[in-house]
Amino acid sequence: GENVEQHPSTLSVQEGDSAVIKCTYSDSASNYFPWYKQELGKRPQLIIDIRSNVGEKKDQRIAVTLNKTAKHFSLHITETQPEDSAVYFCAARRSPGTYKYIFGTGTRLKVLA
Amino acid sequence: DSGVTQTPKHLITATGQRVTLRCSPRSGDLSVYWYQQSLDQGLQFLIQYYNGEERAKGNILERFSAQQFPDLHSELNLSSLELGDSALYFCASSPGQGTDTQYFGPGTRLTVL
Repeated sequence: GENVEQHPSTLSVQEGDSAVIKCTYSDSASNYFPWYKQELGKRPQLIIDIRSNVGEKKDQRIAVTLNKTAKHFSLHITETQPEDSAVYFCAARRSPGTYKYIFGTGTRLKVLA
Repeated sequence: DSGVTQTPKHLITATGQRVTLRCSPRSGDLSVYWYQQSLDQGLQFLIQYYNGEERAKGNILERFSAQQFPDLHSELNLSSLELGDSALYFCASSPGQGTDTQYFGPGTRLTVL
């Protein structure tokens, strides 16, 4: 069935360093890939997304890259800050088609001051 | 604040009981999604409605059902509750049914004793 693998499950970085989280999806027809940040006990919040007709997208310190051939997409956070500490989820969706979102298992990022 | 509201915020009930969770989407959004997040787990997609009709189904148990009403609010009904149903239940909404950004509500924390 469809699934999204996300690595690593936990990641600790020093403040100011970069963090990279990787996801691999199984459904080659997936065409929308959002990333969510979830702080403890709060709702997931969209931080960046990318569609399959684009290879890279950047928003200030956050960037996402997509490799359709490898069915692989990554989140890059530069100049990390303590407030970046949270759980990050990737997701993949095919539309039209099944429409349902398949989420990765999450990465707990800890930025050490 | 995403504009998506969920009630109640917390719900404590006993095994075997039935509960109803309510979600009001953002103004103008036609799609509503339901997710389950167990403790320290990822997001499990349950079901999506678009303009009153079921659009996609995920890992939703037969004991669970949902509907979207003409005013576009949605309800998730959970019956014959078990201890393992204790989780955060999120609702999200998006304008359409395609590759649109979805906005999450604050969630309902369900505790089954």
